Amino acid sequence: KAGVTQTPRYLIKTRGQQVTLSCSPISGHRSVSWYQQTPGQGLQFLFEYFSETQRNKGNFPGRFSGRQFSNSRSEMNVSTLELGDSALYLCASSTDGNTEAFFGQGTRLTVV
Amino acid sequence: GESVGLHLPTLSVQEGDNSIINCAYSNSASDYFIWYKQESGKGPQFIIDIRSNMDKRQGQRVTVLLNKTVKHLSLQIAATQPGDSAVYFCAERGPAGLSFGAGTTVTVRA
Repeated sequence: KAGVTQTPRYLIKTRGQQVTLSCSPISGHRSVSWYQQTPGQGLQFLFEYFSETQRNKGNFPGRFSGRQFSNSRSEMNVSTLELGDSALYLCASSTDGNTEAFFGQGTRLTVV
Repeated sequence: GESVGLHLPTLSVQEGDNSIINCAYSNSASDYFIWYKQESGKGPQFIIDIRSNMDKRQGQRVTVLLNKTVKHLSLQIAATQPGDSAVYFCAERGPAGLSFGAGTTVTVRA
């Protein structure tokens, strides 16, 4: 069974641009969560989607948004990029959000 | 606020010895905990989980212990191998998703 797939693996953007990251969960998983990982702040929760609805949201500005499609695939968008948005963005899927979550390899975003 | 954290940022272990990684949590309402392993350049990999109605759970070479009285979680790795070198995170599932500790970097000495 295929794991969680995130695309692209690497991205370089300039300040002020926007970016969209994609996550395909494990087949049958309906919950998708997004995390930002930086050396200074560690792993921080962005938001969780379940059945196309945002169920939980972390403490990030409105520039960070997401959505989930009917096939459970999810995208996250960051608008007006700042240098501090440079990070590894991780997506995790689980069956219902209450069991173990499996992570993708992440998307390494660099903002210059 | 309430958070999950690890006691030590680094741990150096001799190959073949047992490793113990500790984690303290403060959210007494949390009922589900997970240990993850993250190798360089990869996403976190699920190791083992435990629910609050259990004190101990064993996997292959790993054991997780939960002490709800002192809000302490530990991961024991038996016969540590070079491939166990990684960053280990404990995570707590609360109302707002998974909260992760800062991580413990485990280095296995040959």
